[in-house]
Amino acid sequence: EVQLVESGGGLVQPGRSLRLSCAASGFTFADYAMHWVRQAPGKGLEWVSGMSWNSGSINYADSVKGRFTISRDNAKNFLYLQMNSLGAEDTALYYCAKDIRSGGGSGQGIFHYWGQGTLVAVSS
Amino acid sequence: EIVLTQSPATLSLSPGERATLSCRASQSVINYLAWYQQKPGQAPRLLIYDASNRATGIPARFSGSGSGTDFTLTISSLEPEDFAIYYCQQRWNWPPSTFGQGTRLEIK
Repeated sequence: EVQLVESGGGLVQPGRSLRLSCAASGFTFADYAMHWVRQAPGKGLEWVSGMSWNSGSINYADSVKGRFTISRDNAKNFLYLQMNSLGAEDTALYYCAKDIRSGGGSGQGIFHYWGQGTLVAVSS
Repeated sequence: EIVLTQSPATLSLSPGERATLSCRASQSVINYLAWYQQKPGQAPRLLIYDASNRATGIPARFSGSGSGTDFTLTISSLEPEDFAIYYCQQRWNWPPSTFGQGTRLEIK
């Protein structure tokens, strides 16, 4: 059974940093592109960032480019999101998501399995 | 950026009825469109990808259709557990990807 468990969220002041983690199990993590998708309170979904299986292809939404960094550790089955210069607009539930197909490139951009999310609140 | 517009914003129906949800893209996305279901307090669940392919374990009452700019998610006979928010998502110019604003399907 595919399981994705996010952690690392919390309350942080504007301008500060936070690192999110996603522990993956139940599938061959190293074979799949992985993504972060967020959802502001009461709002819709926004793709944030994605990384190919071998870290060779990394992409970001314009809203986070230059501030967020995605990474992964295939030996430990973990996905990460380093978030710097946080602002109120980054307040959201952050989901880790597995791409639908294994293989190279940036994945298919189809989010097959999702974790339950970790909440990031940016406020002074 | 490709904008997805979902309609209606809210759909009120009774169990057993047929639900038809629409998603319109601001430009053609060919068939690179997916549908997700989200229940309160839960993560989204992939229902349909590439316009008409059901994801693993999704019941046959869910079906998707359309191409180009106009897409439809149909639930043939609503079950109580189907009342939720539904989002469409396009991946034509992946990356990035964009989502629609959602349609809330509520019990009448």
